[in-house]
Amino acid sequence: AQTVTQSQPEMSVQEAETVTLSCTYDTSESDYYLFWYKQPPSRQMILVIRQEAYKQQNATENRFSVNFQKAAKSFSLKISDSQLGDAAMYFCAYRSPNTGNQFYFGTGTSLTVIP
Amino acid sequence: SQTIHQWPATLVQPVGSPLSLECTVEGTSNPNLYWYRQAAGRGLQLLFYSVGIGQISSEVPQNLSASRPQDRQFILSSKKLLLSDSGFYLCAWRRGQGDTDTQYFGPGTRLTVL
Repeated sequence: AQTVTQSQPEMSVQEAETVTLSCTYDTSESDYYLFWYKQPPSRQMILVIRQEAYKQQNATENRFSVNFQKAAKSFSLKISDSQLGDAAMYFCAYRSPNTGNQFYFGTGTSLTVIP
Repeated sequence: SQTIHQWPATLVQPVGSPLSLECTVEGTSNPNLYWYRQAAGRGLQLLFYSVGIGQISSEVPQNLSASRPQDRQFILSSKKLLLSDSGFYLCAWRRGQGDTDTQYFGPGTRLTVL
């Protein structure tokens, strides 16, 4: 099974600053999908951004962008102009179109935004 | 638009009691459905997924079972709860066709087994 690793259990950032959350994954496949989900204190899982592995261009959603390094199997999330509402657990996830419907999640990074 | 519901939102049950958590999706047909468990301070563990009525795949051997009696209904059950079943249970859905591959999550159920 694919594994997803988030090596930073906790991160903090000053409000209005930029922070990068790391994610690496292990796979032998060439085509797959990667996601970042946000889980605020309400526990609702919210999709932040997604990336198709066949696309070389990094995905961007407003203040959120990714640095997708396919050869290195790295998928980091950059949050620019951090806001208090960005404080949450962030989960990186992997999905393969070839191994059924499983999504594989990392163990999460808890982000604190300091006012 | 599509919405996903879970109930109850919170549940406290004694060890050995039965469990039934329900998840329903509105606004779509033939979705893929998933049950995850999130233990305190940990990531998501996939428990079951379903690609259609009556079709259930299990990821890990456990004390729980799942059923899909209707296209947009997914039920997580147990005959006898264990202390280790405590956690936050999330239901998710994904479109079953096309390349729209994102999972969307319900609000979750917090289960405490005493």
